[in-house]
Amino acid sequence: SQKIEQNSEALNIQEGKTATLTCNYTNYSPAYLQWYRQDPGRGPVFLLLIRENEKEKRKERLKVTFDTTLKQSLFHITASQPADSATYLCALIVGGSQGNLIFGKGTKLSVKP
Amino acid sequence: GAVVSQHPSRVICKSGTSVKIECRSLDFQATTMFWYRQFPKQSLMLMATSNEGSKATYEQGVEKDKFLINHASLTLSTLTVTSAHPEDSSFYICSADDRATNYGYTFGSGTRLTVV
Repeated sequence: SQKIEQNSEALNIQEGKTATLTCNYTNYSPAYLQWYRQDPGRGPVFLLLIRENEKEKRKERLKVTFDTTLKQSLFHITASQPADSATYLCALIVGGSQGNLIFGKGTKLSVKP
Repeated sequence: GAVVSQHPSRVICKSGTSVKIECRSLDFQATTMFWYRQFPKQSLMLMATSNEGSKATYEQGVEKDKFLINHASLTLSTLTVTSAHPEDSSFYICSADDRATNYGYTFGSGTRLTVV
């Protein structure tokens, strides 16, 4: 069956450290993978998209990698801050570039001061 | 940037009544909008894809007669939960395909529906 797994339901780290979140998928061949941030009681906010032919993408303190052989994406937040505390969702676009988004359950990140 | 406005943010209704949720794209036209449902500590589950001027496409297991979707204009899609029951209580979120943001879909802020 097709699955998207974010291996940690929760991740607690100290301020200033790098947070690394993992997203694994099976039985998909996505052309794109996205990461979103969701705060409690709010809709997801788009952070980054990475294409299947891209190994790495950066945006300010964020870095995403995409390994289509391992079927895995890693999401890094460097120099983490308490304001980074939120749930982070990975999502695949299936059915072509304008297809549907399929989400993982998310990882709740808590950054302690 | 692109903004999707969703109303209401919270609604409480009695069993058997209907509730309408609106989703508007404020500064762009959205030919396609998506409706999701999210239960606590669960991922967003796609319910249906709403296409302007045509019938919505529902995901397997979603009752189209219970969750009525109307996408009458390029900036507005509505979801009506008909004859609501307590098990319909959930967080409903819409999103729109905004190509300007490099394939990042723009989401509304969500609607917390509680059926009592």
